[in-house]
Amino acid sequence: DTGVSQNPRHKITKRGQNVTFRCDPISEHNRLYWYRQTLGQGPEFLTYFQNEAQLEKSRLLSDRFSAERPKGSFSTLEIQRTEQGDSAMYLCASSLATTSGGQYFGPGTRLTVT
Amino acid sequence: DAKTTQPNSMESNEEEPVHLPCNHSTISGTDYIHWYRQLPSQGPEYVIHGLTSNVNNRMASMAIAEDRKSSTLILHRATLRDAAVYYCILSYPLTQGGSEKLVFGKGTKLTVNP
Repeated sequence: DTGVSQNPRHKITKRGQNVTFRCDPISEHNRLYWYRQTLGQGPEFLTYFQNEAQLEKSRLLSDRFSAERPKGSFSTLEIQRTEQGDSAMYLCASSLATTSGGQYFGPGTRLTVT
Repeated sequence: DAKTTQPNSMESNEEEPVHLPCNHSTISGTDYIHWYRQLPSQGPEYVIHGLTSNVNNRMASMAIAEDRKSSTLILHRATLRDAAVYYCILSYPLTQGGSEKLVFGKGTKLTVNP
């Protein structure tokens, strides 16, 4: 296992379409996080899971966004009725549920909404 | 969320040490200090974290002031591959009533000159 993987790496979609991204965390990590990053800014937290439970959601996560982690392994982030403002890099990270570890990030999925 | 203050940019020369400062005057007793870096077109990368004592790992060292109101990330010999945005972040664990989310600022853009 070489790290967190995300698919697809790039997605171009038209406004109003739905998109879904997948994140595969490091296999023994039980926490999984989603962040969003726009150009020139640091990443912004969206939500995180411990195993299959979604423990925290940001106010940035509007009703059009939904995240799942059904079996406590991979996760999906779906955006419905995409808007141009959704264009960003979507980053996934994973970690172990201890106080001594960091979060390990994937390469991200770049979404462009036209 | 506790705030950190970092210089917008710094420059160093290859093979010289680099000291990246971070001020966090409102830090609480349970806040851990984390450093992440983000290379161009990549997801953030965990560098180091600590609570009270200076810490070292294979990537870097972190010096924490006695009053914990500031910290310094030390790269002992900068290489061209260390050119990145470095983020200093405070967080305290869910197990102590906090959150596992990372709140990124704009960070310090480090340029390494050959």
